[in-house]
Amino acid sequence: KNQVEQSPQSLIILEGKNCTLQCNYTVSPFSNLRWYKQDTGRGPVSLTIMTFSENTKSNGRYTATLDADTKQSSLHITASQLSDSASYICVVTRGTGGFKTIFGAGTRLFVKA
Amino acid sequence: DARVTQTPRHKVTEMGQEVTMRCQPILGHNTVFWYRQTMMQGLELLAYFRNRAPLDDSGMPKDRFSAEMPDATLATLKIQPSEPRDSAVYFCASVVRTSGIYEQYFGPGTRLTVT
Repeated sequence: KNQVEQSPQSLIILEGKNCTLQCNYTVSPFSNLRWYKQDTGRGPVSLTIMTFSENTKSNGRYTATLDADTKQSSLHITASQLSDSASYICVVTRGTGGFKTIFGAGTRLFVKA
Repeated sequence: DARVTQTPRHKVTEMGQEVTMRCQPILGHNTVFWYRQTMMQGLELLAYFRNRAPLDDSGMPKDRFSAEMPDATLATLKIQPSEPRDSAVYFCASVVRTSGIYEQYFGPGTRLTVT
C-alpha cells in the first residue's frame, strides 16, 4: 500500500534551536519527494523537491535529505525562528505518470521565544 | 507577484444548499488541481484539469461534487447538495512544469462550514 508517514505529529522547540522532521514512505514506483510548509490559514508552499538521484537539497535554513534505499526523508531546520511555526507536509509522487501524489499527515512545529 | 486566487475565502451554509468555489490560476499555468483538507484526513486530491479538460476526478464524490474549468482563467468546484461532512478547507493549485518537474502553487483556500 502506498503510504507516507511523518513523525513526530507535533514538536515544540525554542527559538534558535535546530530540529529534524522525519518522513517514511512505501510509495512505489518513486518519482519525487517534496516538503511543503503550511502556515495557519494558508495554502502549502513548496520548500524542496528531490528526485531519485538526489540525496540532499537546501533552501535557506531548510535542508532536506533523501535515502531512496531505505525510503526515508528528513527535513532539518537550522537556527529556528518564530516564523518557522507551521505544519510541514511530506508529499511523494509515484512514477506512474500523471499526478499520483500521496500526502503525509504533516508535522506541526511550534517555535517558542 | 503572480498568485493563485480563490473566492470566497470563507463560506458558511446550511445543509442542502449549493456551494460554488472559484479559483483563478496563475496566468500561463495550464494545469489546475482541487484539494480538500481536514484535520482528520489531511490533504486529499479531488480532481485536476489540464488545458481545461478533466484528467482525473477519481477522488471526488461524483454524486454531489462537480468541477469545471470553463476557461483558462477560472476553475470552479461545486457541491450540490452540501452536507456537514463537506466542511473543510478547499485548495486549488496551479501547476507549471519546469525541467521535467511539476511545481504546484497553492491558493489561500476556501474554508467551508456546512451546518
